[in-house]
Amino acid sequence: GDSVTQMEGPVTLSEEAFLTINCTYTATGYPSLFWYVQYPGEGLQLLLKATKADDKGSNKGFEATYRKETTSFHLEKGSVQVSDSAVYFCALSKAGANNLFFGTGTRLTVIP
Amino acid sequence: NAGVTQTPKFRILKIGQSMTLQCAQDMNHNYMYWYRQDPGMGLKLIYYSVGAGITDKGEVPNGYNVSRSTTEDFPLRLELAAPSQTSVYFCASNLGLAGSGWYEQFFGPGTRLTVL
Repeated sequence: GDSVTQMEGPVTLSEEAFLTINCTYTATGYPSLFWYVQYPGEGLQLLLKATKADDKGSNKGFEATYRKETTSFHLEKGSVQVSDSAVYFCALSKAGANNLFFGTGTRLTVIP
Repeated sequence: NAGVTQTPKFRILKIGQSMTLQCAQDMNHNYMYWYRQDPGMGLKLIYYSVGAGITDKGEVPNGYNVSRSTTEDFPLRLELAAPSQTSVYFCASNLGLAGSGWYEQFFGPGTRLTVL
């Protein structure tokens, strides 16, 4: 079945460090891929998305590229800030369906 | 807009008790969803609704019931609570299926439920 495998956490980085959170997926067809972020005490928010192969989603300095050949959608940011501390979820949905399949989430803590 | 709201924020239940988790949205979204998030796991879909009066099961529906009498509200009912239902519950909504795109799901802040 469809699934998302996400890098285990937690991840602790110093401010201005480079961030990579790995995400790979298993799905038939052509899923859309997403990164959601959950700040402390809040619900999940869409961070970025890509709906077809080779698309790059970007938002707030974060980027992820839909790689069909490696079935991956890794999240990157060049210079993290303390305010980026949150839990990050990779997710996919299938064409014509609204159900989201989530990874387990990766907790990021950025220290000054 | 308040977006998606959920009540209560926290609740402790005893085994066998019942309760209803409330969810409301003010964005006039057709589709609404209930997810649960277990520790160290991703979110899993419990039930969803494509409009008032229409609901359907998700991945993990056992032990839950839903109803959708209005566009705005989508309550989740737990009958005979069990420890396995200890989880964080998220409600979400969106406009629905999009022919050539995808409508973002908007999430509420969650309800943390403990069954002892």
